[in-house]
Amino acid sequence: GQSLEQPSEVTAVEGAIVQINCTYQTSGFYGLSWYQQHDGGAPTFLSYNGLDGLEETGRFSSFLSRSDSYGYLLLQELQMKDSASYFCAVDSGYALNFGKGTSLLVTP
Amino acid sequence: EAQVTQNPRYLITVTGKKLTVTCSQNMNHEYMSWYRQDPGLGLRQIYYSMNVEATDKGDVPEGYKVSRKEKRNFPLILESPSPNQTSLYFCASSSEGISNQPQHFGDGTRLSIL
Repeated sequence: GQSLEQPSEVTAVEGAIVQINCTYQTSGFYGLSWYQQHDGGAPTFLSYNGLDGLEETGRFSSFLSRSDSYGYLLLQELQMKDSASYFCAVDSGYALNFGKGTSLLVTP
Repeated sequence: EAQVTQNPRYLITVTGKKLTVTCSQNMNHEYMSWYRQDPGLGLRQIYYSMNVEATDKGDVPEGYKVSRKEKRNFPLILESPSPNQTSLYFCASSSEGISNQPQHFGDGTRLSIL
């Protein structure tokens, strides 16, 4: 089976940096994805890590350590529009298994 | 415009009345899947399809059926809906499988089964 753990809620100030952690246990692992979802909207793809290390896309970065079964999403220069839910998802090769999501609230 | 289209967007119906939620993508994607999203539980995969005529169960397939007769369409069928299937449903597609392939999600279908 598979399980993913991520914090349920995080609050940060506009302009700050926030890190959302994700730990996983899985029988098959190809990579870790991150998705953003605004209230009731469609999830949108942010990043994918298939290898250990850091992937950077603009203000967002994602990190993976396969040996630690751990990854994180780093959001820099937070903006109010970043308030949303963020999901990590394990790629098992044929399916995505999503975590329960982290609700990020950005305050002025 | 590249998109995944789900219909209907909202539906209120009664227990036992068969319903179909349609999903269509115009990106010639091979992989399609269905998820349900419930508060506090994240997204859980119902069924997926690697290509035409190839479907497989996800984590929560009970009470659902799917078909993949054409590449662009992947309907979700609830033969005898029950209240525990009240949920927000998302269809998604990607070019080839899962690995390093961004999933493109539809706007969702909110189902209420009374």
